[in-house]
Amino acid sequence: LAKTTQPISMDSYEGQEVNITCSHNNIATNDYITWYQQFPSQGPRFIIQGYKTKVTNEVASLFIPADRKSSTLSLPRVSLSDTAVYYCLVGDMDNDMRFGAGTRLTVKP
Amino acid sequence: ETGVTQTPRHLVMGMTNKKSLKCEQHLGHNAMYWYKQSAKKPLELMFVYSLEERVENNSVPSRFSPECPNSSHLFLHLHTLQPEDSALYLCASSQPGLGGGNEQFFGPGTRLTVL
Repeated sequence: LAKTTQPISMDSYEGQEVNITCSHNNIATNDYITWYQQFPSQGPRFIIQGYKTKVTNEVASLFIPADRKSSTLSLPRVSLSDTAVYYCLVGDMDNDMRFGAGTRLTVKP
Repeated sequence: ETGVTQTPRHLVMGMTNKKSLKCEQHLGHNAMYWYKQSAKKPLELMFVYSLEERVENNSVPSRFSPECPNSSHLFLHLHTLQPEDSALYLCASSQPGLGGGNEQFFGPGTRLTVL
């Protein structure tokens, strides 16, 4: 399973765009990149998934460079309710993905 | 009900008690997972079941005993627990092999306190 590295914590202010970068240098050819969000005392929730280039949905964008050794989760115009832990995982369709420590995002007023 | 449900949501037990946590998924998935999350720690994968067979056990103490009677239900039987076992226990399900990454859907968790 590919190991991921992401910042332990980040701070932001309401209305700003937040970019969280994840490194996954040993990503395999079949691996996808998936991001989850977790609020305190709740289970993680799927945010977005991608394989290469850019993926966008109603809550976030995911940027993946050509070498796929890193990825960046972009949250547009964050609000206080976006304060949570964000996890980056890599894996393929057949493997369970492993959660690391994640990035604790704190959005301030 | 939709998604993944877990019962009970909160549980307090003594070290000599025996209790069970229940997880049910209504998504038609064929893989189910138990995770443990202690305070301010990453999620620890405990057990993985695929097609009702255990495929992974991450060196979990024998005082935790999983059971998967069918693809929709997963239990975690608890006995002679220790105070350090107090944590949030999360259940998840997924459908490997559909293409893309193996997205997991999580339940709300059971907050367990061992006295």
